[in-house]
Amino acid sequence: QLQLQESGPGLVKPSETLSLTCTVSGGSISSSSYYWGWIRQPPGKGLEWIGSIYYSGSTYYNPSLKSRVTISVDTSKNQFSLKLSSVTAADTAVYYCAREALMITFGGVIRGAGGFDPWGQGTLVTVSS
Amino acid sequence: QSALTQPASVSGSPGQSITISCTGTSSDVGGYNYVSWYQQHPGKAPKLMIYDVSNRPSGVSNRFSGSKSGNTASLTISGLQAEDEADYYCSSYTSSNWVFGGGTKLTVL
Repeated sequence: QLQLQESGPGLVKPSETLSLTCTVSGGSISSSSYYWGWIRQPPGKGLEWIGSIYYSGSTYYNPSLKSRVTISVDTSKNQFSLKLSSVTAADTAVYYCAREALMITFGGVIRGAGGFDPWGQGTLVTVSS
Repeated sequence: QSALTQPASVSGSPGQSITISCTGTSSDVGGYNYVSWYQQHPGKAPKLMIYDVSNRPSGVSNRFSGSKSGNTASLTISGLQAEDEADYYCSSYTSSNWVFGGGTKLTVL
């Protein structure tokens, strides 16, 4: 069964760049049926979508984070990655990666249908000097 | 894009039914049939419970159901069980992006 696992530093200094990788196992990241997403959750707070990427490299970002976010994919390693620049304490959160389902039609793929499933276990990233 | 609005908390006794609302706008909940619901137990990752407003993934109990009317989506849990106690989040697709609700804490009395 498909599994996702986040990895990366648990502590990042203010103004530096947060970097995380999500490794996909039990399935191919190159499937045409899915996007791959990052979602975060500050301690004690709700979920926030960060962005999503297709195996081809096509990306969508949360407008509120777009200027600081880069998501990339490495199909040879079955991984996708998140970089968030100029971090502050407000970026302290549990970061999750998840698979985003697509609807395949004769006209192409449609995002939105299917939601995020499954999710990785999450990794806590603390921004502090 | 603003977060979807959910009640902070709801409660119910075992065996009862509860409904959690999720209010958005015509640009998100009202504009797409792409509302999903997630269950999150403390210290765990969210789990997809409902997608596309009312569809259940394989393995999710049929006690969970979803619906939508206008700009408001709803999650109903029937026959409440102790294991249903968790946080629940709604999410809606909107113009190439995703927006989540603030979350609702369900307490089983």
